[in-house]
Amino acid sequence: EADIYQTPRYLVIGTGKKITLECSQTMGHDKMYWYQQDPGMELHLIHYSYGVNSTEKGDLSSESTVSRIRTEHFPLTLESARPSHTSQYLCASSEYGTTNEQFFGPGTRLTVL
Amino acid sequence: AQKVTQAQTEISVVEKEDVTLDCVYETRDTTYYLFWYKQPPSGELVFLIRRNSFDEQNEISGRYSWNFQKSTSSFNFTITASQVVDSAVYFCALSEGSSGTYKYIFGTGTRLKVLA
Repeated sequence: EADIYQTPRYLVIGTGKKITLECSQTMGHDKMYWYQQDPGMELHLIHYSYGVNSTEKGDLSSESTVSRIRTEHFPLTLESARPSHTSQYLCASSEYGTTNEQFFGPGTRLTVL
Repeated sequence: AQKVTQAQTEISVVEKEDVTLDCVYETRDTTYYLFWYKQPPSGELVFLIRRNSFDEQNEISGRYSWNFQKSTSSFNFTITASQVVDSAVYFCALSEGSSGTYKYIFGTGTRLKVLA
């Protein structure tokens, strides 16, 4: 059973605010990922990490930043939210190795007014 | 270049009908992994199956079955006797082993609507 958590589940915020989306997993997975997805549409990888102090940008350019100070925690930060950031953000994790299946959190639906 | 194509944007079926969701992939790797995920209206992605490139055996799990054919680069998903709870967006994904990154390449998804 996958144990990966995201908070908040829903966030409505005004333009210009700084926000942090939290993602935590209790499975000890080395690899973690952030995806951006408009409802029911394609998933776009925006950040990933292979372990502590490792972060990489994904395939879709994003103004967000991430950090990986602890194995279980992979927060995503937007310094100044804009309406174009309105989307669903999904966090995932997987073990390091060839099996590679990713387990997803419930997502955060962000609306920037 | 790697790519996953789910040509069916949306499918509607009546409950108890069988339905097949198509997935065609492109990769130059000999080692790769294919996945199916279900995304119900609540938003989370639920893992359904993983297949590696060396295992072409088809798999059945309850009402779900998967047909992996390397000759046609396809990994199709069939739901037998569909139910309303099967209504969701289904994503097929590819992960290449040799790149070392193990990132997923997702298809654009197929929205399945099962009508009562």
